[in-house]
Amino acid sequence: QKEVEQNSGPLSVPEGAIASLNCTYSDRGSQSFFWYRQYSGKSPELIMSIYSNGDKEDGRFTAQLNKASQYVSLLIRDSQPSDSATYLCAVKRSGGGADGLTFGKGTHLIIQP
Amino acid sequence: DAGITQSPRHKVTETGTPVTLRCHQTENHRYMYWYRQDPGHGLRLIHYSYGVKDTDKGEVSDGYSVSRSKTEDFLLTLESATSSQTSVYFCATRTSGGTNEQFFGPGTRLTVL
Repeated sequence: QKEVEQNSGPLSVPEGAIASLNCTYSDRGSQSFFWYRQYSGKSPELIMSIYSNGDKEDGRFTAQLNKASQYVSLLIRDSQPSDSATYLCAVKRSGGGADGLTFGKGTHLIIQP
Repeated sequence: DAGITQSPRHKVTETGTPVTLRCHQTENHRYMYWYRQDPGHGLRLIHYSYGVKDTDKGEVSDGYSVSRSKTEDFLLTLESATSSQTSVYFCATRTSGGTNEQFFGPGTRLTVL
């Protein structure tokens, strides 16, 4: 069973600080990694994708990937109360005929005003 | 996102009855997916489609069937609903390009009594 692990939280961060979310995965063949944001009662919204080792920045968000350590992270700079949500790490399934994403259970992030 | 709609948005049914959920997309995306989301389990892949009439099983496919007779529609059927199938069901789509980015519909909340 290929897994994606996240700390469920809640992770509480003061407004304006950096929020750091972490994810580990077990499938060494995975090549595509994603972060989704999900507000309560809503559907997941894609915020970042990353495919190569290193950092990828998009506005206040930075995704980091280390395939050797099987580790993906998401940094949110200048955290805002509107960033309060559950963040889902997802990994593209690998192997012959496999498709779809394997998700972690999510980290609940609370930004304190 | 990606012009995805799901119907119905909410449904309450009784054990043993058949249920069909519909996903409709207007983006001409080749790939479509059905996930379920449950507390403590996160999002899990039920079935997916890689083209008209081409479908395959995900990790939690028992008790579910799917059909895709045209590009824009992907149907999920519970032949005989059980209480364990009470969940929120999300449809997702992606293009056939190399990014593997999936976009989710608004979800259907299904309650089986």
